[in-house]
Amino acid sequence: DQQVKQNSPSLSVQEGRISILNCDYTNSMFDYFLWYKKYPAEGPTFLISISSIKDKNEDGRFTVFLNKSAKHLSLHIVPSQPGDSAVYFCAASISNTGKLIFGQGTTLQVKP
Amino acid sequence: GAVVSQHPSWVICKSGTSVKIECRSLDFQATTMFWYRQFPKQSLMLMATSNEGSKATYEQGVEKDKFLINHASLTLSTLTVTSAHPEDSSFYICSATAGQGIHEQYFGPGTRLTVT
Repeated sequence: DQQVKQNSPSLSVQEGRISILNCDYTNSMFDYFLWYKKYPAEGPTFLISISSIKDKNEDGRFTVFLNKSAKHLSLHIVPSQPGDSAVYFCAASISNTGKLIFGQGTTLQVKP
Repeated sequence: GAVVSQHPSWVICKSGTSVKIECRSLDFQATTMFWYRQFPKQSLMLMATSNEGSKATYEQGVEKDKFLINHASLTLSTLTVTSAHPEDSSFYICSATAGQGIHEQYFGPGTRLTVT
């Protein structure tokens, strides 16, 4: 039972354009969501997070949007840079458990 | 800040032997550490949650006698894969949080285990 789903295994965008990565979840108990970036043979790097009491959080080029009614979140990267090319994982957690449930990941390629 | 290290970064061992992987939080005290494994092109699967000074909590389907976890201090957790078999070959990653109620986990660089 995949509680967190990233249905697009890959995404390719041109440098300078917007990258939009999507994530859906099924468990309504999730109340905190995170995005991580991962390079091959490395551990994930934390990017940005959002609490379920918010619908948007912005940090520089990265913005996360949360639509609770649709159980959907997205990560926007503007403008995209070649260095953003990596695998992006969304993750969800339930307060007081500390556990993160990860999606399958989306490989982003930003072309120069 | 929030740096987590793992050692070794890769290890090759023979079937039937045991391998220990260390996870350290370098610049903060980690009350909770997590161990994940990742198969090629798949997601990170949580194996167990480790709280300093207490027994680890294992996820369903993870053999606690095979994957021994020790969290003896606020900066060190170890995962020992006992009697390793080729199917245990995987990428093992640890993470740490600085305290209860903190959702962000900081990950180590991972350990590639190959069992021959």
